[in-house]
Amino acid sequence: DAGVTQSPTHLIKTRGQQVTLRCSPISGHKSVSWYQQVLGQGPQFIFQYYEKEERGRGNFPDRFSARQFPNYSSELNVNALLLGDSALYLCASSLELVVGADFGPGTRLTVT
Amino acid sequence: AQSVAQPEDQVNVAEGNPLTVKCTYSVSGNPYLFWYVQYPNRGLQFLLKYITGDNLVKGSYGFEAEFNKSQTSFHLKKPSALVSDSALYFCAVRASSGSARQLTFGSGTQLTVLP
Repeated sequence: DAGVTQSPTHLIKTRGQQVTLRCSPISGHKSVSWYQQVLGQGPQFIFQYYEKEERGRGNFPDRFSARQFPNYSSELNVNALLLGDSALYLCASSLELVVGADFGPGTRLTVT
Repeated sequence: AQSVAQPEDQVNVAEGNPLTVKCTYSVSGNPYLFWYVQYPNRGLQFLLKYITGDNLVKGSYGFEAEFNKSQTSFHLKKPSALVSDSALYFCAVRASSGSARQLTFGSGTQLTVLP
């Protein structure tokens, strides 16, 4: 079975641009969460979706938004990119509302 | 608010020796506790979790962790370290109930196993 998949693998954007990151959960998993991992730090929670509804939001500005589709895949959007948004963005999926989670390989975003 | 502390940024151990990576946590109510490993330029790989039951949890690749409620700790251990265990290790916690469904991670501990 395929694990959590994320696309693209790497992305380079300039300040002020917008970016969309994509995540496909493990088949059968209904919950998707997004985390930001800045170099040298632990992952920070951004969003959680379950059954296409937002179930949690971390301490991130409104420039960050997400959604979950009927097939449980998810997109994370970041508007008006800042240099500080450069990070590894991790997607995690789980059957229910997180009792452990399977993480994808991440999308490395570089903002120049 | 829930939090995790990994007091050691770096742990070095000789191959074949036992290893311990420390983690303490703070959470309201009963905790769910996790350990993940991250290799360079890779995502997080699940090692083990404590939900309830036996305080000693066994996980992947010979790793285990001991839940200590009185000390609010969940240290990761392995009896005999391998060079291939060298990686970045993260401890994470979430509350077993309530609205805080997200995982809160520590800052990570870089484990280096010396040949």
